[in-house]
Amino acid sequence: EAGVTQFPSHSVIEKGQTVTLRCDPISGHDNLYWYRRVMGKEIKFLLHFVKESKQDESGMPNNRFLAERTGGTYSTLKVQPAELEDSGVYFCASSQGTPGLGGFYNEQFFGPGTRLTVL
Amino acid sequence: LAKTTQPISMDSYEGQEVNITCSHNNIATNDYITWYQQFPSQGPRFIIQGYKTKVTNEVASLFIPADRKSSTLSLPRVSLSDTAVYYCLVGRYSGAGSYQLTFGKGTKLSVIP
Repeated sequence: EAGVTQFPSHSVIEKGQTVTLRCDPISGHDNLYWYRRVMGKEIKFLLHFVKESKQDESGMPNNRFLAERTGGTYSTLKVQPAELEDSGVYFCASSQGTPGLGGFYNEQFFGPGTRLTVL
Repeated sequence: LAKTTQPISMDSYEGQEVNITCSHNNIATNDYITWYQQFPSQGPRFIIQGYKTKVTNEVASLFIPADRKSSTLSLPRVSLSDTAVYYCLVGRYSGAGSYQLTFGKGTKLSVIP
């Protein structure tokens, strides 16, 4: 079974440019998450899709970030315009089913990440 | 979300059992405890999850005392390939259909021959 894939693996752009990151979740996984780790900091949650709907986007830093998941399959995360502080590693994760009441959640499978460098 | 505290780093010789303890003093009733492993240039990988007492799978054991204010990840007979960063996470289903993971700094485990 193929895991979560992300493209590109590494992107270097200049400040002010636009970059689009792509994530292909594991087939059949309704839940898709975006996380990121900026330099020297912890991995932080950005948002969560259930199929094509944004379930929780409380972690999105500002309106320069736009995430989409048309058709409920792959997802894109666009940064426009990119700033220096956006540099970091962007992870995508997917899980199946629905997080259950009482605290149990379904295991999230992470992709290898996209390393974004903004110069 | 409960804050977790774990050692920044640990060293171990090959073949030894490694125990990594995580404290989470303000864990809530509905919180589960989850451990992830991350190798360089890879995304985190789920290891084990538990609520109380002991959970064991093919790669690790998780010990959770009755007060649940701490947990210990136990890796039996580590090998060089177990060198990685280990994250302890505490979280709960938000009730709004989302379950965001909150990562701390993790424990960098170095296994030496």
